[in-house]
Amino acid sequence: TQLLEQSPQFLSIQEGENLTVYCNSSSVFSSLQWYRQEPGEGPVLLVTVVTGGEVKKLKRLTFQFGDARKDSSLHITAAQPGDTGLYLCAGARGGSTLGRLYFGRGTQLTVWP
Amino acid sequence: DADVTQTPRNRITKTGKRIMLECSQTKGHDRMYWYRQDPGLGLRLIYYSFDVKDINKGEISDGYSVSRQAQAKFSLSLESAIPNQTALYFCATSGVERHGYTFGSGTRLTVV
Repeated sequence: TQLLEQSPQFLSIQEGENLTVYCNSSSVFSSLQWYRQEPGEGPVLLVTVVTGGEVKKLKRLTFQFGDARKDSSLHITAAQPGDTGLYLCAGARGGSTLGRLYFGRGTQLTVWP
Repeated sequence: DADVTQTPRNRITKTGKRIMLECSQTKGHDRMYWYRQDPGLGLRLIYYSFDVKDINKGEISDGYSVSRQAQAKFSLSLESAIPNQTALYFCATSGVERHGYTFGSGTRLTVV
């Protein structure tokens, strides 16, 4: 059973479009993290959100942590081909030192010129 | 040098062979992890270690074993490789929560 459900699994859009990726769970997490993975490489951390309702912006990327700390979303404005990659959400369950993360299955984003 | 180094990057092996994947990190973290990634299944945890004397099974440990040789080194072994262990394997390390995991570049393993 997947603790974190990510949707959609695939997203194929034109350059300039906006998109949102969702990460949902019935469990509460102490923090939610988003990673981006490119072919042939390991995932790289984009952001960590720790407070319910928190919104973080990273240039054209906006991350939100749900009020109940059970879900999160990633919104990309005016997508570019360089945004292409696999986006993974991951939840942590407490402690100042990070332990086990529970990963969603990922959203494969392709942005066409 | 990369913070987390995995060797080899690619490996093809035959069914029944024993194989070891190695991981070393320069982050100075105590916590290390091994994951496998399969298309459509995401990252699944094989084993994790919170310090040199602490080893824990993850979701899919059957057919795998690990050794934590030092704080910086964590190796994964397939005792008798089988074709459904063909996958991309990642090692990771973690420190404070907000910094997330640091992953290696992965080992692509093919069992024929």
